[in-house]
Amino acid sequence: EAGVAQSPRYKIIEKRQSVAFWCNPISGHATLYWYQQILGQGPKLLIQFQNNGVVDDSQLPKDRFSAERLKGVDSTLKIQPAKLEDSAVYLCASSLSGGGYEQYFGPGTRLTVT
Amino acid sequence: QKEVEQNSGPLSVPEGAIASLNCTYSDRGSQSFFWYRQYSGKSPELIMSIYSNGDKEDGRFTAQLNKASQYVSLLIRDSQPSDSATYLCASLSYNTDKLIFGTGTRLQVFP
Repeated sequence: EAGVAQSPRYKIIEKRQSVAFWCNPISGHATLYWYQQILGQGPKLLIQFQNNGVVDDSQLPKDRFSAERLKGVDSTLKIQPAKLEDSAVYLCASSLSGGGYEQYFGPGTRLTVT
Repeated sequence: QKEVEQNSGPLSVPEGAIASLNCTYSDRGSQSFFWYRQYSGKSPELIMSIYSNGDKEDGRFTAQLNKASQYVSLLIRDSQPSDSATYLCASLSYNTDKLIFGTGTRLQVFP
């Protein structure tokens, strides 16, 4: 079974530029998550989708971050404009459903904002 | 107060020893608990999940949960150098359906 796919793996941009990340979850997984992991910290949830609806985006900086999951499968996370403090690893995860189901992570995208 | 707390380490153990990793959580509504292993530069990999009080064993790994004490632990028997990584503890709140991670404990297994 294929795991969670993400691209790109690495991205370097200048501040105030925009960037987009893509995620394809494990087949059949209804719930998709985007996390931000800053070096030395645990992942922090940015947004959770159930199928193509948003369940939780309370920690998403909505003035600069946006995310969508059209058709309930792939998802994109966008940052516009980027700030220096956005430098982090952006992780996508999926699970069969919400609740106590186990979450599986993709390889992540390492973003560096200069 | 942090919601999930772990000692950042490093925890150094000799090869073949038992490594004991600990985690406490503050949300009494938490029902599900997970241990992830994260190698440097890689993404978290799920190694154990536990939902009820007591022990759960899977190969060399044993997860222990005590909801009364709000305490979760992970034991790694016969530790190998390949176990050297950061171990993340996470709790899932029944109320918020959100997975909260600790900052991780770095484990070093030396030959």
